[in-house]
Amino acid sequence: EVQLVESGGGLVQPGGSLRLSCAASGFTFSSYSMCWVRQAPGKGLEWVANIKHDGSEKHYVGSVEGRFTISRDNARNSLFLQMDSLRAEDTALYYCAREWFGELSPWGQGTLVTVSS
Amino acid sequence: DIQMTQSPSSLSASVGDRVTITCRASQGIRNDLGWYQQKPGKAPKCLIYATSSLQSGVPSRFSGSGSGTEFTLTISSLQPEDFATYYCLQYNGYPWTFGQGTKVEIK
Repeated sequence: EVQLVESGGGLVQPGGSLRLSCAASGFTFSSYSMCWVRQAPGKGLEWVANIKHDGSEKHYVGSVEGRFTISRDNARNSLFLQMDSLRAEDTALYYCAREWFGELSPWGQGTLVTVSS
Repeated sequence: DIQMTQSPSSLSASVGDRVTITCRASQGIRNDLGWYQQKPGKAPKCLIYATSSLQSGVPSRFSGSGSGTEFTLTISSLQPEDFATYYCLQYNGYPWTFGQGTKVEIK
C-alpha cells in the first residue's frame, strides 16, 4: 500500500525553526517528484514547494522562498521541509504528496504547525 | 503567478442533481489542471488530472473538461458521499496554484 506519513509539527515561536519529515512506503520513492501543500485553519489549499525525484530541481511559493528548504533522502525514502524564520501566517496543516506529471496522489494525513508566542 | 478563480465558492444541491464547478486561469495553462476533493478532517484526494483524465477508482459521474483558461468539473448525478469541498490546481507554471475552493452542501 502506498503510504505517506508526516511528522515534526508542533508549536513554535515566531522567528523559530521546525523541520518536517514525510516517510514514504509502498512505492519506489526515488522515481517520483514530491511536494508540500499547506492549509491554514479553515482556509483553502496552498502549494508550498516541490522537488524532483533526484533532488536536482526545487521550486517554492514566493511567501516561503528563502525561509523554507525542501530536501529528500532517497536512501531513507524520506522527504523534508526545513522551515526557518517562521511567521504567524505559516500556521497550517502541512501535507506531503507524491507527484506524477502534476497529479498529486496520494497525500499524507498532515502535520500541524502552529506559530505563536 | 497564475491566478485561479474558482466559482461558485459554495453551492447547495440535492442528491441526483447535476453540478458544475468552474475554474478560470489568469493565463493559458494548456490542459495542466487537476481537481481535488476534500472532506472535513481528511486529506485532499485527486479526482482528475490533465483536465479530463479520471484518477483510478474515481466514479465515472465525475468528469472534467476545458482548455486554455477555462475549465469545469461536472458531477453528473450528485451522491451523498460527494458533499465536500472541491479545488482546482494548475501545474503549468511555478508556483503551482489552487483555486479558492467550492463547498458543495446538501440542499
